[in-house]
Amino acid sequence: QQPVQSPQAVILREGEDAVINCSSSKALYSVHWYRQKHGEAPVFLMILLKGGEQKGHEKISASFNEKKQQSSLYLTASQLSYSGTYFCGTFGSYNTDKLIFGTGTRLQVFP
Amino acid sequence: GAVVSQHPSWVICKSGTSVKIECRSLDFQATTMFWYRQFPKQSLMLMATSNEGSKATYEQGVEKDKFLINHASLTLSTLTVTSAHPEDSSFYICSAQPGQGPHEQYFGPGTRLTVT
Repeated sequence: QQPVQSPQAVILREGEDAVINCSSSKALYSVHWYRQKHGEAPVFLMILLKGGEQKGHEKISASFNEKKQQSSLYLTASQLSYSGTYFCGTFGSYNTDKLIFGTGTRLQVFP
Repeated sequence: GAVVSQHPSWVICKSGTSVKIECRSLDFQATTMFWYRQFPKQSLMLMATSNEGSKATYEQGVEKDKFLINHASLTLSTLTVTSAHPEDSSFYICSAQPGQGPHEQYFGPGTRLTVT
C-alpha cells in the first residue's frame, strides 16, 4: 500500500522551515527521500535505515520512527531551489527491492 | 556518480502503434532495473521490476502483454508499449541499482509519451 504524505502542499517564504511527513501502514525497513522538479526525474536526497541514525545534509535532514512506521523530512532555512515535489519511498524488508513511492508533497518557495 | 540514461526523452505516436523506450546504466552494472509511470500531478507508480536474464515481474494491474520489458544485459532494459492508446500517454521513468535489496536507486531522465 502506498505511503501517505502530509501535507499535500506547502508554500514558504525563503528562509522559512518546513516538515514533511511520510506514514506507512506496513512495517518499514528503510525510507528514501527524493525531490522531483517538474518534468524531471526524481533526485535522491537521503536514505534512512531501520536501526540507523538520523541522516541529512546541512539544512535538509530526516528522521525515521520504526515503531510508528513514519519518517519526517526537515527543511531548514528554505531556499528557492528547494521548490519541487518531495516523495518518500519505502522498502518493507531487506529482501525486497521494490521501492514504493508516497503520495508526494508539493513545496513552493517564494522570495 | 551513477548515471542512467533514457531514450527517447520525448515521443509522439499514433494510436495503435508500438513504442520502445531504452534505459541504460552508463557507469555501473545494474542487476535490477525498474519501470515507473507517472501521470500529471501524481506519484510514481511502479510498473515492473526487471532482472537481467529473467522475466520481468509486473505489478498488479499492469498488463504484461501490453508493456513488454526486456533486460538483455546488465546495462540495458527496454520497455515496449504495444498498440498504444491515448490513455497510455504518460511520463515513463526507469531506475537502476547496482545490487539487490533496498539500495539507492538511480533514475533516468524520463520519457514523455504522447499517443494521439
